[in-house]
Amino acid sequence: GENVEQHPSTLSVQEGDSAVIKCTYSDSASNYFPWYKQELGKGPQLIIDIRSNVGEKKDQRIAVTLNKTAKHFSLHITETQPEDSAVYFCAAAYNDMRFGAGTRLTVKP
Amino acid sequence: EAGVAQSPRYKIIEKRQSVAFWCNPISGHATLYWYQQILGQGPKLLIQFQNNGVVDDSQLPKDRFSAERLKGVDSTLKIQPAKLEDSAVYLCASSSLGGRGNEKLFFGSGTQLSVL
Repeated sequence: GENVEQHPSTLSVQEGDSAVIKCTYSDSASNYFPWYKQELGKGPQLIIDIRSNVGEKKDQRIAVTLNKTAKHFSLHITETQPEDSAVYFCAAAYNDMRFGAGTRLTVKP
Repeated sequence: EAGVAQSPRYKIIEKRQSVAFWCNPISGHATLYWYQQILGQGPKLLIQFQNNGVVDDSQLPKDRFSAERLKGVDSTLKIQPAKLEDSAVYLCASSSLGGRGNEKLFFGSGTQLSVL
């Protein structure tokens, strides 16, 4: 089955800096790659997703890149703000969705 | 639009006791998922329903876990008897598409279970 690895497990940045989280997956059949943000005491919320026929997608300060050959994808957050502090999960899916272990992002004001 | 509703919010039980969690998905969403999230890990799929039928329960520990979605709307997940390692957040999610697994999921806030 699919195995998703996510790095780093924790990330601390200064407000205004950029943050990058990287994931690799094992199943070449996976064709959907969402990113979820989970705040304390809440369920994960989708922030951006990308499908396998697209190499990059951007939504304001958030972007995701996908390299299907290397089987890795990344989340980029620019101009980070304190409210970006949360746990971020990547996932890879074909018939079912497998999540990475999460990255705890802390943005220091 | 109302989100995915879950209850209770917290539950503390002793090992070998039983517990049940309830989920009401977003109106009109045919697909419903139950995930287990152990502290420090990503969500792990337990079971997926399409309407009131089971699509995937391959990771559900069937000797102690059971789930149902009788009328194709709300769902109940039960653990009997509970073990210490069942301590986790149980998340319910729903989606509006065909339930292939590669689609946007809407999550509830979860039920935090502590087994003592």
